[in-house]
Amino acid sequence: ETGVTQSPTHLIKTRGQQVTLRCSSQSGHNTVSWYQQALGQGPQFIFQYYREEENGRGNFPPRFSGLQFPNYSSELNVNALELDDSALYLCASTLQGSSYEQYFGPGTRLTVT
Amino acid sequence: ELKVEQNPLFLSMQEGKNYTIYCNYSTTSDRLYWYRQDPGKSLESLFVLLSNGAVKQEGRLMASLDTKARLSTLHITAAVHDLSATYFCAVRSSGGSYIPTFGRGTSLIVHP
Repeated sequence: ETGVTQSPTHLIKTRGQQVTLRCSSQSGHNTVSWYQQALGQGPQFIFQYYREEENGRGNFPPRFSGLQFPNYSSELNVNALELDDSALYLCASTLQGSSYEQYFGPGTRLTVT
Repeated sequence: ELKVEQNPLFLSMQEGKNYTIYCNYSTTSDRLYWYRQDPGKSLESLFVLLSNGAVKQEGRLMASLDTKARLSTLHITAAVHDLSATYFCAVRSSGGSYIPTFGRGTSLIVHP
């Protein structure tokens, strides 16, 4: 167990809708990253938050946005869902002072129909 | 742009055999990670390699790093069925962001 939780576990949405995914890290994990993992692929970096500010972003459009809260929880929001957004979404937190090892949550499986 | 290539992408092997998974990357890196993922599950951290010549072992898995060749290997010794999973390497480039880039993964199946 990594101490990182995500909700919901599974989600089905319709194209054009909006979705919010949630992640909760351990106390002290002040950096959280979000990844999208399509079937048969490696995780693709979406963005990273450090102390509630976005400090890195991958090649994803602005309809992917996030928030990080003081209680070490975070959200990934996706607007105007497309079929290609169907994937496993993983959050990973990093403990300050560690070797930047990331602790991954169990993921949210999003299906867009 | 950092590129990470793993090979093979698929590996079917018999129990008791040895094999090596390779991870090549395109720019200088200051750390390399190996992860295991079981079907439908999240990623489990196996190793973090920080310096040239680093070697780490856990059970039947041994990982090494050659920063000059920009190559890491994950060696499997006397494979058992429980090792069946997908293995990813992820590379963090030195300088700039702390974001690792993942390879496509190696899907390993160990047959009795």
